[in-house]
Amino acid sequence: GNSVTQMEGPVTLSEEAFLTINCTYTATGYPSLFWYVQYPGEGLQLLLKATKADDKGSNKGFEATYRKETTSFHLEKGSVQVSDSAVYFCALGYTGNQFYFGTGTSLTVIP
Amino acid sequence: DGGITQSPKYLFRKEGQNVTLSCEQNLNHDAMYWYRQDPGQGLRLIYYSQIVNDFQKGDIAEGYSVSREKKESFPLTVTSAQKNPTAFYLCASSITVPNEKLFFGSGTQLSVL
Repeated sequence: GNSVTQMEGPVTLSEEAFLTINCTYTATGYPSLFWYVQYPGEGLQLLLKATKADDKGSNKGFEATYRKETTSFHLEKGSVQVSDSAVYFCALGYTGNQFYFGTGTSLTVIP
Repeated sequence: DGGITQSPKYLFRKEGQNVTLSCEQNLNHDAMYWYRQDPGQGLRLIYYSQIVNDFQKGDIAEGYSVSREKKESFPLTVTSAQKNPTAFYLCASSITVPNEKLFFGSGTQLSVL
């Protein structure tokens, strides 16, 4: 079956620290991979996506590379800011419009 | 501006009562979805619809019902059969091609009185 596994949180970092949030997936076929971000009391917003193996998605300083050999899509940012505090969800989107989400990782960045 | 509108933002349900959550989109998307989010947990799919007048159960459909009479609208009814309805409900939509991203509404928080 299809599933997404994310590292558990919460994660607390100091401003300007390096961020990695791990995400691995199980899928048949060739899904696209996504990172979504959720701010308190709001819906999810797309952060970045990659549609095929070795693609790198990037946005607002965040990056993730679609690694088929390790079935991973880890999220990274070189220098986090207080405004990056949110919950981050890894997801895969599959033929037939089924989407599968990880459980989310809460990030808090302290000044 | 195009987007997805969910209403109300907060909703309270009494014991034995059915309540309906509204979801409207003006993105001209064919596919629409309802997800449930519990504190500290991921999103679980309740129902989804790929075209008007058609919908499929997701992983946790018991105690919920939907309709898709118009392309723009996908209301969710939480029935009295749903014994633990307190959660944050998210509506989403997408173009019906493989691997396209989801657009989300801002959610409805449902609580039991």
